[in-house]
Amino acid sequence: QVQLQESGPGLVKPSQTLSLTCTVSGDSISPYYWNWIRQPPGKGLEWLGYFKYTGSTSYNPSLKSRVTLSVDMSKNQFSLRLSSVTAADTAVYYCARGNRPGDNYGGDFDYWGQGALVTVSA
Amino acid sequence: SYELTQPPSVSVSPGQTATIPCSGDKLEYKYVGWYQHKPGQSPVLVIYQDTKRPSGIPERFSGSNSGNTATLTISGTQAMDEADYYCQAWDRNTGLFGGGTKLTVL
Repeated sequence: QVQLQESGPGLVKPSQTLSLTCTVSGDSISPYYWNWIRQPPGKGLEWLGYFKYTGSTSYNPSLKSRVTLSVDMSKNQFSLRLSSVTAADTAVYYCARGNRPGDNYGGDFDYWGQGALVTVSA
Repeated sequence: SYELTQPPSVSVSPGQTATIPCSGDKLEYKYVGWYQHKPGQSPVLVIYQDTKRPSGIPERFSGSNSGNTATLTISGTQAMDEADYYCQAWDRNTGLFGGGTKLTVL
């Protein structure tokens, strides 16, 4: 049974960096794509980016300059860093596995973490 | 930039068929996935690659994709199907979600 679990601070100050980690159990990092998706309060889902098991990444163009994704294969974890946060970055952050990827296609999100609420406030 | 458009809300009576459209330019040339999202829970994949149903998803969920519109169809809708539904696709290796459709079963 594949399980994903987000962890990290629930409160971040404006202008600081949001950091979250997703721990994967029940399967390995390879050969999947590992995604971060968020949902601001009262709004829809927004894809932030993925880290491919080969090491390549893809980011949402609207956030590209602020997002960094990485993987620690030895710990079966992947991480999100979002810099210079504002109140608009307050959201539930989900990690999700991208399965069945193809050319220019990151796959479908077949497993999700339970979500981590991150609030940006002084 | 590429966009996926969904109606904000759809209503259906129990036992009837609900259809939720998702439109985008030449969408038929992209794979579309559909996600069910209930309050306080994580989204669940109910359709992938336009028409395929993951293991454990009831047969009443089906999908299609033609022209500029992908459609999620729920036959014999049940009260438990009330949720937000999101379509999802990829454009140039960038993930995209539709704005979501709130399905009300009344």
